Parts: sequence; C-alpha cells; structure tokens
Amino acid sequence: AQSVTQLGSHVSVSEGALVLLRCNYSSSVPPYLFWYVQYPNQGLQLLLKYTSAATLVKGINGFEAEFKKSETSFHLTKPSAHMSDAAEYFCAVSDQGGSEKLVFGKGTKLTVNP
Amino acid sequence: GAVVSQHPSRVICKSGTSVKIECRSLDFQATTMFWYRQFPKQSLMLMATSNEGSKATYEQGVEKDKFLINHASLTLSTLTVTSAHPEDSSFYICSAPFWGRDYGYTFGSGTRLTVV
Repeated sequence: AQSVTQLGSHVSVSEGALVLLRCNYSSSVPPYLFWYVQYPNQGLQLLLKYTSAATLVKGINGFEAEFKKSETSFHLTKPSAHMSDAAEYFCAVSDQGGSEKLVFGKGTKLTVNP
Repeated sequence: GAVVSQHPSRVICKSGTSVKIECRSLDFQATTMFWYRQFPKQSLMLMATSNEGSKATYEQGVEKDKFLINHASLTLSTLTVTSAHPEDSSFYICSAPFWGRDYGYTFGSGTRLTVV
C-alpha cells in the first residue's frame, strides 16, 4: 500500500526566503504524486503533480517539485516566499492517478514571517 | 474544467438530527466520489468511496449507518450524517477523479459541520 510522509508539521520562513517542504513516499508501483495547498476552511487547491513525465515539475504560484526515485522523494520548493504562501500543504500519492484513492501526508503548516 | 460544487459550506445542527451534504460535478461526469473528513489541524482521512449506481465502499472504522452515501447519478453524490452528535463535528470534503486531456482529482470547497 502506498503512503506519504511529510517531514516537519510546521515550517517557518522569512518573507523572501527559500521554501522547502519535504515529502517522501512509499509505493509498490510507479506513483503519481501531488502537492495541494489548503487555506483555512477551504478545500484543496492543486499546486502541481508528477505523472511520470519530467522529473522536475513546475506548478502554480512559483512552486516546483522534483521527483527523485532513488530517494523516494517529491519535495516542494519555492525560491522566494510571499506572505500569501502561508497555508497548509499536503503531499499525496496515488498508484494509478485516476481511479485509485489519494493517500495524504499529515500536512505541513507553512508560516511566513515579515 | 473538472469542478465540484459542495453545499452547504457551513451547517449547524442540533444533536440527533440529520444533515445532508451535496457534491455536484459541474462540467464532467463523476463516476467516483471520495468523501474525506478532516479534524482541526489534521490531514484528510478517507471515509468512503462512492461509485455511481453502486453501494459505497467504507474505510475501516467508519460507520455505514451513520454516514450514508448516495451516488445516484453521474453528477451528484451526497453524504448524510444521521443522528448527528457533537463528535461528528468536523470538516467534510468531497473529491472526484477526472480523466481526459488532463487528469487528477478535484475537490469540493468543504462543509464545516457543527453539532450542538
């Protein structure tokens, strides 16, 4: 069964600093990987997804993630944090990307300090 | 494309009453709908998977008789919390996979249920 581990339940950065949110996955088959962002009392918004094409995936709002099979990782980065990036971020994995359920990590709360 | 509309966004009900949450796919056919529950400051926990025209599949530990799921059409799935109690207070989110030129999972905006 697939699983996701997000290292660090809370990450705090200064505005303008690099954002790095860590995600490691476990899957018995090539995975489909997703990063979502959630603002308070809202649903989830897709930031980016890995679909077995390019290993470096660019998403919305300046975020990107790199799929590293050897490290079973899919870390999310952004070169320069904005105050508006403060939110909860979830990494998720799906074995087939379509009919299979998404399995979520526990989430990482990102705080951006002025 | 691939939008799911979830209603209501917030609901407060009295203990013992039932509440229905609707998720409608607006521009695609949702053959499958996932229902999640999210406690404060926690991740999403899958409650059940519904497929159009068949019985829902519930995750271990989820009470089928309390959380009734109906997926009678390709555009509507409902979750009814029956005989609600304060411990059922939570944030409920639906999600549907979509295929086509693009694929992925689209999420409803969530329902904040408060049982008093």
